[in-house]
Amino acid sequence: DAGITQSPRHKVTETGTPVTLRCHQTENHRYMYWYRQDPGHGLRLIHYSYGVKDTDKGEVSDGYSVSRSKTEDFLLTLESATSSQTSVYFCAIRKRGVTSTDTQYFGPGTRLTVL
Amino acid sequence: GNSVTQMEGPVTLSEEAFLTINCTYTATGYPSLFWYVQYPGEGLQLLLKATKADDKGSNKGFEATYRKETTSFHLEKGSVQVSDSAVYFCALSFGNEKLTFGTGTRLTIIP
Repeated sequence: DAGITQSPRHKVTETGTPVTLRCHQTENHRYMYWYRQDPGHGLRLIHYSYGVKDTDKGEVSDGYSVSRSKTEDFLLTLESATSSQTSVYFCAIRKRGVTSTDTQYFGPGTRLTVL
Repeated sequence: GNSVTQMEGPVTLSEEAFLTINCTYTATGYPSLFWYVQYPGEGLQLLLKATKADDKGSNKGFEATYRKETTSFHLEKGSVQVSDSAVYFCALSFGNEKLTFGTGTRLTIIP
């Protein structure tokens, strides 16, 4: 357990509305990530953060923005939700390996449905 | 770019059968390799990992060996149980970079 929570766990919204998903961690890890999971695609990286106010794009960042004003919170915002953003969203943190490689640990996920 | 290819699912086996889920990768250099498992309704959990050639990762009876010559990291278990039913993801990363995932393999074990 890496102390990661996500909220909300489920959300149904309408096309064109803004949506914000929250990821919270309790262990002060520097790196945090947002992925989306879709059938046939596995998980794909949306955005990631390497520190407070330091973020960068992943491979599927169009239509999403992120913010990190505190170490423990990483927010993902859909400015104007579309049906193509219906997905399961996972947050992850990266733990530094002492004797081996860094490893990512995942939150429980948020299921978002855009009608 | 980097990529991971997993065997197509779904895979259905009887309890106590031998399991192999194939995973091969394409990358420039030598990445770290991972298997994650996702049980129904849950997030991804790290199952095992390997960081260099010939390393063997193991956990909960599952094993995978990092084969540089065949760029593979196949997941095996000698005797599966109903509780192993889940989706399994193979993934790679280089140091501080993002994880690149395969598409996942759904495994169902029948009593």
